Amino acid sequence: KAGVTQTPRYLIKTRGQQVTLSCSPISGHRSVSWYQQTPGQGLQFLFEYFSETQRNKGNFPGRFSGRQFSNSRSEMNVSTLELGDSALYLCASSTRRGTEAFFGQGTRLTVV
Amino acid sequence: AQTVTQSQPEMSVQEAETVTLSCTYDTSESDYYLFWYKQPPSRQMILVIRQEAYKQQNATENRFSVNFQKAAKSFSLKISDSQLGDAAMYFCASGPGSQGGSEKLVFGKGTKLTVNP
Repeated sequence: KAGVTQTPRYLIKTRGQQVTLSCSPISGHRSVSWYQQTPGQGLQFLFEYFSETQRNKGNFPGRFSGRQFSNSRSEMNVSTLELGDSALYLCASSTRRGTEAFFGQGTRLTVV
Repeated sequence: AQTVTQSQPEMSVQEAETVTLSCTYDTSESDYYLFWYKQPPSRQMILVIRQEAYKQQNATENRFSVNFQKAAKSFSLKISDSQLGDAAMYFCASGPGSQGGSEKLVFGKGTKLTVNP
């Protein structure tokens, strides 16, 4: 069974640009969550999607958005990139609450 | 709001010895789960062990076990017979139970574990 796949693995963008990250969950998993990991703030919850609906959102500015498609694949978008957006972005999928969340290997975003 | 605190930024242990990583949490939820995740240099977060808050019995997974003290809101991880492959960042996390609104995990800042040969 394939794991959670995140693309791309690495990304370098310039301030002011926008970026789209992709996450393909494990087959059959309908919940997809996104986290931002930085050395200073640690792991912070961005948002969660379930059956194409955003079920919860973390405390991030509106520049951070996401969506989920009918096949459960999810994308997150960051517009007007800032230097502080440089981070490892992790995606996790699960079948239901309380069960194991399976993580992808992340996308390392560097904003210059 | 939920919070998870790991007070040990770094720990080290000799190979084959036992080490305990500390975690305290605070939540207003009555139904919740607690997790320990491991993140090696490859960056892949891997579940180590999971505890349902309504269960009094401490979870165990091979060399990994937890000491869950619900009243004290404490959830420590014990690694027995430490191996070189156990070296990684360890994150304690809490998440909603089956009646929760969404699948949101709250993580601690992590403990970097070094295993010395």
